[in-house]
Amino acid sequence: DAGVIQSPRHEVTEMGQEVTLRCKPISGHNSLFWYRQTMMRGLELLIYFNNNVPIDDSGMPEDRFSAKMPNASFSTLKIQPSEPRDSAVYFCASSLWPSGGNEQFFGPGTRLTVL
Amino acid sequence: AQSVTQPDIHITVSEGASLELRCNYSYGATPYLFWYVQSPGQGLQLLLKYFSGDTLVQGIKGFEAEFKRSQSSFNLRKPSVHWSDAAEYFCAVGNAGNMLTFGGGTRLMVKP
Repeated sequence: DAGVIQSPRHEVTEMGQEVTLRCKPISGHNSLFWYRQTMMRGLELLIYFNNNVPIDDSGMPEDRFSAKMPNASFSTLKIQPSEPRDSAVYFCASSLWPSGGNEQFFGPGTRLTVL
Repeated sequence: AQSVTQPDIHITVSEGASLELRCNYSYGATPYLFWYVQSPGQGLQLLLKYFSGDTLVQGIKGFEAEFKRSQSSFNLRKPSVHWSDAAEYFCAVGNAGNMLTFGGGTRLMVKP
């Protein structure tokens, strides 16, 4: 079975550019999560969706960040404009809720470097 | 609000030695508890989980964890560590909703 798929795996961009990260959750899962991981702040939840609807976006750092889930098999996280402090590894995770009991399955991550 | 504390940021053990990684949580009800492992450059992989029932939980790669309600702990153990176990380990607690709260992680180094 395919796990959570993220693309690209690595992204290097210049400050001010738009960045779009993509995620395909595990088929049949109804919840999707976006996390950011840095050395300084650890693993932070940015936003999560249930049944394609954003439920909690309190972790989104500012208006430069936006996330969408147009259907059950695809989500994007967009940063516009990007800044060097956005450099991090961004993880997408999915789960089957409530029957899956909070167990989340993580993708391999996208390593973003903003120069 | 729930929280998870992993008191040890770094731990170094010799290959073949036993391992215990500590995790303490704060949550008002019976929690769902998880341990994840992250190898360098990889995503997080589930090692084991506790939902209910037997408080000693077996996981993959020879790991186990014990839920102790009186101590609000869910410590991870392995009787004999292998060099391939070097990684970062995260404890997490789930609530009645759909979210997980992660600890800060413990980085394990294994000496030959």
